[in-house]
Amino acid sequence: GQSLEQPSEVTAVEGAIVQINCTYQTSGFYGLSWYQQHDGGAPTFLSYNALDGLEETGRFSSFLSRSDSYGYLLLQELQMKDSASYFCVRNMLTFGGGTRLMVKP
Amino acid sequence: DSGVTQTPKHLITATGQRVTLRCSPRSGDLSVYWYQQSLDQGLQFLIQYYNGEERAKGNILERFSAQQFPDLHSELNLSSLELGDSALYFCASSVDSSNEQFFGPGTRLTVL
Repeated sequence: GQSLEQPSEVTAVEGAIVQINCTYQTSGFYGLSWYQQHDGGAPTFLSYNALDGLEETGRFSSFLSRSDSYGYLLLQELQMKDSASYFCVRNMLTFGGGTRLMVKP
Repeated sequence: DSGVTQTPKHLITATGQRVTLRCSPRSGDLSVYWYQQSLDQGLQFLIQYYNGEERAKGNILERFSAQQFPDLHSELNLSSLELGDSALYFCASSVDSSNEQFFGPGTRLTVL
């Protein structure tokens, strides 16, 4: 969507750390979500940030800075199964274009 | 398995036709959402229903309509189909208008 910007593709090595950034349109903003979607599969919820700061869920963390209209998803200890598309979502309903993450051995 | 079911899984039809996609939400979920995902694209929000009433509307074409029934299942009706309507249509549900949505497996629509 035009109100969200995220990179189209990111490549990383197994075991590494990768950060997927997302900038969003500020007007009327109240929260940023992240979803994962494997090829041919349905999106699955990863995290949600309404307040500034870091939310950690296992190997995945999500960060929000409302003053910068910016958030990111951090994936640690990358595994091959993390190869998927990752979507930031503004206000629960507006999906970004997605970032395709390729994890290489 | 998210608990959300969608039928049919695949649908092939011709331009100008009308189709109905069906979604059953997770048990206890009151909100149903419909999304369209074209090839290699993000998800485009179409419409949300909450407990039978329309709650939010996205970029849904006038040729498309939806409803949520008393048993909370939902149907998305697509009419006067065009080639560009070929896409994956996802239904999602949530307890209320919460931030975590559970997506069904999708219906792949091909318009020839």
